[in-house]
Amino acid sequence: AQSVTQPDIHITVSEGASLELRCNYSYGATPYLFWYVQSPGQGLQLLLKYFSGDTLVQGIKGFEAEFKRSQSSFNLRKPSVHWSDAAEYFCAVVPFYNQGGKLIFGQGTELSVKP
Amino acid sequence: GAGVSQSPSNKVTEKGKDVELRCDPISGHTALYWYRQRLGQGLEFLIYFQGNSAPDKSGLPSDRFSAERTGESVSTLTIQRTQQEDSAVYLCASRQGSGNEQFFGPGTRLTVL
Repeated sequence: AQSVTQPDIHITVSEGASLELRCNYSYGATPYLFWYVQSPGQGLQLLLKYFSGDTLVQGIKGFEAEFKRSQSSFNLRKPSVHWSDAAEYFCAVVPFYNQGGKLIFGQGTELSVKP
Repeated sequence: GAGVSQSPSNKVTEKGKDVELRCDPISGHTALYWYRQRLGQGLEFLIYFQGNSAPDKSGLPSDRFSAERTGESVSTLTIQRTQQEDSAVYLCASRQGSGNEQFFGPGTRLTVL
C-alpha cells in the first residue's frame, strides 16, 4: 500500500549532538516531499521541501534533508541539536498523481532533548 | 491577517451534539484544507477546497462530517451527532494557487465526552 513511514516514534538526543530522523515512502513515482515541525500547542511549520534538483535540501533552523531515490527515503538531519528543537516532526508527501496537493503524513517522530 | 486562524482553540462537547469549527485562511489563498490529528497519530486529510471548484471530500470519515467555504474566505467544518472517536485536533491549512507550501493554523482541539 502507498504510505509514508517514520520508523521512530520517539527519539531522545543530548543537546549538541547530531540528529537524524528517518522517513520512507512507498509511491511509484517520486512525490513532493516535506518535513514539518509541530511544537506543543502550535500549528505545523514547514522546515523544508523537495520537488526536484539537488537531492540535499537546506531548511530553516539549521535543518537539512537528503532525498535518496534508491532507498525511497527523505531523512531529516541537524548537526547540533538545541533544546528548543524538542517537538514533533512529521514527514509528508504529495504524490505525483495528486491533483489537489493534499498532504499525506507519516505518524510523526517525537524528539526529546536532554540537557 | 498574518496567518491562518482557527476558532475556537478548544471545544468540549457532549456525545450526540453538533459542533462547528471555523477557519480563516490567509488572504488571497485559493486553496484550503482540513486535516484531523488524533492523539499519537499523524494527520489525516479530510477535505480540500480550490476556488469555486467542487470540493474534494474524499477524506471525510462519515456523513456526519461536512464543510463549507464561501468563495476564497472562511471555511466551517461541521460535525453532527459527535462521537467520542471524533475527539482530535482539527487543523486547517491554506495555500496560494500557484504555490506548493501549505500554511497551517494552530488547530481546534475537540473533546467529546
